[in-house]
Amino acid sequence: NAGVMQNPRHLVRRRGQEARLRCSPMKGHSHVYWYRQLPEEGLKFMVYLQKENIIDESGMPKERFSAEFPKEGPSILRIQQVVRGDSAAYFCATHRGPKSADTQYFGPGTRLTVL
Amino acid sequence: QKEVEQNSGPLSVPEGAIASLNCTYSDRGSQSFFWYRQYSGKSPELIMSIYSNGDKEDGRFTAQLNKASQYVSLLIRDSQPSDSATYLCAVNAGGTSYGKLTFGQGTILTVHP
Repeated sequence: NAGVMQNPRHLVRRRGQEARLRCSPMKGHSHVYWYRQLPEEGLKFMVYLQKENIIDESGMPKERFSAEFPKEGPSILRIQQVVRGDSAAYFCATHRGPKSADTQYFGPGTRLTVL
Repeated sequence: QKEVEQNSGPLSVPEGAIASLNCTYSDRGSQSFFWYRQYSGKSPELIMSIYSNGDKEDGRFTAQLNKASQYVSLLIRDSQPSDSATYLCAVNAGGTSYGKLTFGQGTILTVHP
């Protein structure tokens, strides 16, 4: 996992609540990707952010999901009004700069369970 | 047709054998190809990357790429029980300069003693 931090590691929410997932990149990394892994499926790209900018959000559901990567602090993936289908593992991956895009380091993931 | 498709598993091989994992992709613009290993409950770990047609060897692992056939494979020689995991094929999205990856659904490999 090479220093990428995600918290919480496990998150339980009831339907209708909000979930906030945090990703702290490795030192010096300013590029963040979020991926979702549904049970028994591969990872699906959700969003790509650089500091303070959303570059590609083509994989984000149109409603309830948002992401940010502020100038200071971790990247946050926010899910409003969670539903059971949001239960999944959410991974972030980071890299240093544009020339190192092929060397992404994954965090340990947040396992979200919606009751 | 799935964008990245892996051979259906699960795959079971005896210890010491060669495990062969296959992957096809649909995006002809893709230029970067990766194999990740994921243990149960853990995050993906990059084990091989390949960018040019042909073979690339790293220890017991060999990745093979054929862009004309849109085909990527991973061979694991002298398989060990510790190789038992899910193997994910990933392809960089063509037309992008950043690391947006499209993953296959994974192949579960079991190496039995």
